[in-house]
Amino acid sequence: DADVTQTPRNRITKTGKRIMLECSQTKGHDRMYWYRQDPGLGLRLIYYSFDVKDINKGEISDGYSVSRQAQAKFSLSLESAIPNQTALYFCATSDQGLAGGPMSEQFFGPGTRLTVL
Amino acid sequence: SQQGEEDPQALSIQEGENATMNCSYKTSINNLQWYRQNSGRGLVHLILIRSNEREKHSGRLRVTLDTSKKSSSLLITASRAADTASYFCATGGQGAGSYQLTFGKGTKLSVIP
Repeated sequence: DADVTQTPRNRITKTGKRIMLECSQTKGHDRMYWYRQDPGLGLRLIYYSFDVKDINKGEISDGYSVSRQAQAKFSLSLESAIPNQTALYFCATSDQGLAGGPMSEQFFGPGTRLTVL
Repeated sequence: SQQGEEDPQALSIQEGENATMNCSYKTSINNLQWYRQNSGRGLVHLILIRSNEREKHSGRLRVTLDTSKKSSSLLITASRAADTASYFCATGGQGAGSYQLTFGKGTKLSVIP
């Protein structure tokens, strides 16, 4: 079984609809992340969480919200989807890394392709 | 905004040749990582090099880091068709920035059989 799973894998929705993307991991990592990727661009960080009670905004959090329901689960919501949120969304996890917080490698899910019409 | 900038944006080589991709960044880093992404799939971690390291090897991969020039290179030797993918560098910053990875836009590598 995959260590990081995302559901759904593909979703087509309409402008104004509320959408939730879910991420689960079996790696036992404390840190979880949500990114979006647009064609020809790298990944941009939306939100990240270092434990169940910790939520932080990333570079492009406007229009998104997250919930860390458990160590293993981190969901991303679009409260009112708009067409420019059409993108590939990735969840990732990492361990705590070295003391002091230097970033260790991240493990990615397979992605959710979201289309907002 | 993205810190890492890969160069070239696209690279096409014959199987068996070496592929070199470069990454430049702007601010001080704690480490630099390279990831591979097959078309439309999740990223896979390849290698991590810390700011106090200058070179690192993993199989057919060789990564160098020059912190004075704020640049890194990824060399794939004896390329295979299966190496066809996009390659991204990602930087882990210092201080408040140490809790995030910042990704570049990637180099798209095509290895022709």
